[in-house]
Amino acid sequence: GQQLNQSPQSMFIQEGEDVSMNCTSSSIFNTWLWYKQDPGEGPVLLIALYKAGELTSNGRLTAQFGITRKDSFLNISASIPSDVGIYFCAGPYNFNKFYFGSGTKLNVKP
Amino acid sequence: DAGVTQSPTHLIKTRGQQVTLRCSPISGHKSVSWYQQVLGQGPQFIFQYYEKEERGRGNFPDRFSARQFPNYSSELNVNALLLGDSALYLCASSRGTGLHENEQFFGPGTRLTVL
Repeated sequence: GQQLNQSPQSMFIQEGEDVSMNCTSSSIFNTWLWYKQDPGEGPVLLIALYKAGELTSNGRLTAQFGITRKDSFLNISASIPSDVGIYFCAGPYNFNKFYFGSGTKLNVKP
Repeated sequence: DAGVTQSPTHLIKTRGQQVTLRCSPISGHKSVSWYQQVLGQGPQFIFQYYEKEERGRGNFPDRFSARQFPNYSSELNVNALLLGDSALYLCASSRGTGLHENEQFFGPGTRLTVL
């Protein structure tokens, strides 16, 4: 199956700092989705990207669909304590099989 | 509007038993997908159903099966449970399976423990 590689695996930042994380694949994806998961809950959709080069924002979150269609990036500006959680990239391959990355665990120190 | 709902919340079974998990999608969504998430990993895709038909299947053994009902709700069945089946089982719904329709919205999950 397809493998989505996320980096970094985890990060510890100070409140107010900006955060960047990325996701790469060996195959081309037509859609990139970014999710956040809190402990004991299901993932929550943050941003959806559909076009190579597309840059989309959702509040303090900005995500980009890489030009090669094999990668995507998520940035969080001015982090706050409630940003703590695990961030996953995901995408459908051949439209009907979804793949998730292994996640980036974000810790924010107040 | 209600989100995706799943039942039960938690379940404890013993090896060899069978289990059925249930999911109701967001109103208006016609597709349901099932995922298995073990601790420390991302969700692993099991099935996607659309209009009662299986549209996608992940790399899971035949012990895993699912179905979708006319009201678009779905059940996931796992037979002959193994210890390794212990995980959070997530259900997600989407409007459809095409581009721009396949954004997955997740329920809270069912925590299955196999002893």
